[in-house]
Amino acid sequence: GQNIDQPTEMTATEGAIVQINCTYQTSGFNGLFWYQQHAGEAPTFLSYNVLDGLEEKGRFSSFLSRSKGYSYLLLKELQMKDSASYLCAAYAGNNRKLIWGLGTSLAVNP
Amino acid sequence: SQTIHQWPATLVQPVGSPLSLECTVEGTSNPNLYWYRQAAGRGLQLLFYSVGIGQISSEVPQNLSASRPQDRQFILSSKKLLLSDSGFYLCAWSVRNEQYFGPGTRLTVT
Repeated sequence: GQNIDQPTEMTATEGAIVQINCTYQTSGFNGLFWYQQHAGEAPTFLSYNVLDGLEEKGRFSSFLSRSKGYSYLLLKELQMKDSASYLCAAYAGNNRKLIWGLGTSLAVNP
Repeated sequence: SQTIHQWPATLVQPVGSPLSLECTVEGTSNPNLYWYRQAAGRGLQLLFYSVGIGQISSEVPQNLSASRPQDRQFILSSKKLLLSDSGFYLCAWSVRNEQYFGPGTRLTVT
């Protein structure tokens, strides 16, 4: 079957680094996405990985290992505004549809 | 630049009443369009997607329907709402890979 797993909740301290993991099982994998969703708001696009390796975008980086079915989102220099849910999603076979994880709720404490 | 609009932002409707939610996209042509629902504390559920005018694919059997009367307009409807239809309804568009979400409509069925 097709499945995406990520931790339900994480807590970190302002200024620290946090890594949010995501494992996936899909048929015909075509890329992995990370989205950020603040409470009561729509998800916003963070990153898209289709090749193995690390892609860096400012304080946020995303890593993909296709052979292991594994990705992570790395957030550096955490700020209070980073408190949000982080959603992992993957294209599976049909590029028109994404398979979504349930999201990791990150709480950044002072 | 591309913009996606959804309205209304919030809606309270009685059980058995009809529903019409509208989504429009600006600044792009022939986008793929999606309707998602996010119930409280749950993940994103794909309801419908469309690759062109009049082309609708339904993901989950239910009392909802979708239509795409124009290239950049996507409408979600119901003839009779159920309590279980309450949730956060999100419209999204994509041209290549990333999906971009509208602000969402929070629907409460009472």
